Amino acid sequence: NAGVMQNPRHLVRRRGQEARLRCSPMKGHSHVYWYRQLPEEGLKFMVYLQKENIIDESGMPKERFSAEFPKEGPSILRIQQVVRGDSAAYFCASSPPNSPESEQFFGPGTRLTVL
Amino acid sequence: AQKITQTQPGMFVQEKEAVTLDCTYDTSDQSYGLFWYKQPSSGEMIFLIYQGSYDEQNATEGRYSLNFQKARKSANLVISASQLGDSAMYFCAMRETQTGANNLFFGTGTRLTVIP
Repeated sequence: NAGVMQNPRHLVRRRGQEARLRCSPMKGHSHVYWYRQLPEEGLKFMVYLQKENIIDESGMPKERFSAEFPKEGPSILRIQQVVRGDSAAYFCASSPPNSPESEQFFGPGTRLTVL
Repeated sequence: AQKITQTQPGMFVQEKEAVTLDCTYDTSDQSYGLFWYKQPSSGEMIFLIYQGSYDEQNATEGRYSLNFQKARKSANLVISASQLGDSAMYFCAMRETQTGANNLFFGTGTRLTVIP
């Protein structure tokens, strides 16, 4: 039973480019969460999605960031016109459909470096 | 106000000794969950232990135990018989289930170094 998968594991972008980060939740999980970890800091919540719905995006920056979790396929976190301050590790977590309050299983993270 | 406070940026422990990593939390919810995660240098987040606010017994998982003191709003992690592989960052986190929000609030972490 594969865990949460994220790709790419490392992503390098130049300022102004777009970054697309993908997350495939654990099999059977329909709740996805995105967190950002700046260097030497703890994880900060960004957005919580269920299939085709954004449930809570209170942690998302208002501009340049968007997230989706389509009916088919992985969840995508998109960062447009990246800036150096976007350099961070981005973690995805998932939890099962009937008990969203249960443990969240984390993926290995995507480390974004903006040059 | 910070929801999760970890006051120890770094801790050292001798191999085979026990160590306590501190965590205090702030919430007005009656229902919440507390978690500890380990992040080794490879970067992944590894779930260690969970304590529900209504659980009367302290949670234990192998060498990990959670010293839950509800009145003090503290949820310290105790690692017994430390091993070299325990060297990592440790994060305390909380979820406020009463509000319906499912996201986790994380502390800033404690870097544990196990000395041979």
